[in-house]
Amino acid sequence: ESVLTQSPGTLSLSPGERVTLSCRASQSVSSSYLAWYQQKPGQAPRLLIYGGSSRATGIPDRFSGSGSGTDFTLTISRLQPEDFAVYYCQQYGTSLITFGQGTRLEIK
Amino acid sequence: QLQLQDSGPGLVKPSETLSLTCTVSGASVSSSSYYWGWIRQPPGKGLEWIGTIYYSGSTYYNPSLKSRVTISVDTSKSHFSLNLNSVTAADTAVYYCASRQQWLVGFDCWGQGTLVTVSS
Repeated sequence: ESVLTQSPGTLSLSPGERVTLSCRASQSVSSSYLAWYQQKPGQAPRLLIYGGSSRATGIPDRFSGSGSGTDFTLTISRLQPEDFAVYYCQQYGTSLITFGQGTRLEIK
Repeated sequence: QLQLQDSGPGLVKPSETLSLTCTVSGASVSSSSYYWGWIRQPPGKGLEWIGTIYYSGSTYYNPSLKSRVTISVDTSKSHFSLNLNSVTAADTAVYYCASRQQWLVGFDCWGQGTLVTVSS
């Protein structure tokens, strides 16, 4: 099954900036089976993006997902204070669900 | 509105069985519209999928845990459960139950998480 590698491990940015997070798969992944989550300290993860580019219910349009094959990205167009968190990509394989190791977004 | 609440012992002894329950409200646990799953997160680390069950009883397990894991659904009690046997300190983690809708490939509803510590 495909291994997901996220980069960078940590990003320090300021509110208002634009950020792109990377998720690279070791084998080709259908974008239909690629999701992104946000997790804040002490909370359960929250689904942001499914199917590679579809926003989950209630997710602001500053969040967007794109990509295909082995390279996927999550973009936050204008960082809000509440966006500083850890972000995980996830893929659904034929018999296995795997997560990337996460990217931590911290306030500069 | 679908809600999940996970529960179970916070402390389990090494070699024993970890048992957690996720109570479902707002939908039927026997609905064909949902998959039910368990994910865990060791302290300070990332997410690991444990397994998923469909209303039909079909189960899908992480190969790394498959020999020790059982996920089941109890329709009479509106919950689904996780049993993980022969636990070690490496199984210490926050355990989350979660659900995904049949048409949506992503866990869009999560329980609050239960910290389970494996220690004598």
